[in-house]
Amino acid sequence: EDQVTQSPEALRLQEGESSSLNCSYTVSGLRGLFWYRQDPGKGPEFLFTLYSAGEEKEKERLKATLTKKESFLHITAPKPEDSATYLCAVGAQFGNEKLTFGTGTRLTIIP
Amino acid sequence: DTAVSQTPKYLVTQMGNDKSIKCEQNLGHDTMYWYKQDSKKFLKIMFSYNNKELIINETVPNRFSPKSPDKAHLNLHINSLELGDSAVYFCASSRQGNLGLPFFGPGTRLTVL
Repeated sequence: EDQVTQSPEALRLQEGESSSLNCSYTVSGLRGLFWYRQDPGKGPEFLFTLYSAGEEKEKERLKATLTKKESFLHITAPKPEDSATYLCAVGAQFGNEKLTFGTGTRLTIIP
Repeated sequence: DTAVSQTPKYLVTQMGNDKSIKCEQNLGHDTMYWYKQDSKKFLKIMFSYNNKELIINETVPNRFSPKSPDKAHLNLHINSLELGDSAVYFCASSRQGNLGLPFFGPGTRLTVL
């Protein structure tokens, strides 16, 4: 069965303090790995899709990278508005189109 | 606005009642989903419909019955509500074969007393 584990569960950073969130996964053939941002009381908002090891994508202060076993979401010089829960999900190559999610990392940026 | 919308946003009800959550998307997507997010923020798929046809049913109790009257709507009906059904339910939609770009609705927080 596909599994996604995210760490840490929660992370508090000072504004401007860069760090990384980890997403480890096991899947029977990776179709894609996805990062979402979720704000309190809202639905997940799509950030990135990564399809193969070595791939990287960037958006503002966020950069996502992918290896064969894990993905990192690097956040550079974060601002308070980056505070949110970041969810990682994988889609399997074979079978249906469901996503298997991790439990997320709750990121808090302190001004 | 183009989006996925859900009603109601909050639903508080007694054990044993029957309730429905409605979802509509105006993005022209072929595939719609219901996900359940528990108190620990774990988001798990329940159902997926493609062009009104059920394609994913993830071992969800029979008390949960999705209905898709057309491509743009996917409703969720829950019979005989139990305490453990309390969660946030998210509707989502995507283009067929475009895995990873589901747009999620704002969620419906269901509380069963």
